[in-house]
Amino acid sequence: QQPVQSPQAVILREGEDAVINCSSSKALYSVHWYRQKHGEAPIFLMILLKGGEQKGHDKISASFNEKKQQSSLYLTASQLSYSGTYFCGTLDTGRRALTFGSGTRLQVQP
Amino acid sequence: SQTIHQWPATLVQPVGSPLSLECTVEGTSNPNLYWYRQAAGRGLQLLFYSVGIGQISSEVPQNLSASRPQDRQFILSSKKLLLSDSGFYLCAWRVTSGNTIYFGEGSWLTVV
Repeated sequence: QQPVQSPQAVILREGEDAVINCSSSKALYSVHWYRQKHGEAPIFLMILLKGGEQKGHDKISASFNEKKQQSSLYLTASQLSYSGTYFCGTLDTGRRALTFGSGTRLQVQP
Repeated sequence: SQTIHQWPATLVQPVGSPLSLECTVEGTSNPNLYWYRQAAGRGLQLLFYSVGIGQISSEVPQNLSASRPQDRQFILSSKKLLLSDSGFYLCAWRVTSGNTIYFGEGSWLTVV
């Protein structure tokens, strides 16, 4: 069963912040975040392993609460280059392939 | 460093024609390999994955098949394409002991 992402779409002005959520009904081993530009392949952003860790890269960070089976992606001081569709992929215990959410379309405007 | 190549990049095929998409990973051995499909404006649907030569797991029953004739080669095939097979096909890989999955450039398939 695929994870549920919210919101489905968000429009920001440059410099604003956004949060994208991902939740699963299954116990998770890891959560993977990707960004996809229109017509291109998804690009890996970060992975969070069970243990409740939080990661960050520049102004993009994420958290993973394995007890709640939820992850959130935080984009701060958004830039035009952040525009795209963000997907969370989950790996539950015992599986060897990612199951992806339906995506969150993020548009950053000047 | 590891790289993944996928081809062809785009193709237009008539309904009922066969299909062959190929994917090759370089710079690693015994990777886990995956085929995903993305319909226009939709999410990523897992089609097949493989943990070794000749080992294929199918996630969605349909008129597609996959084969892994060599360690780093993954092929997606169909004997007769349907209109609903149109989409963006993505090959992906992961080192056996790793966690991160990386995608190839993708192949755009339009069935007419």
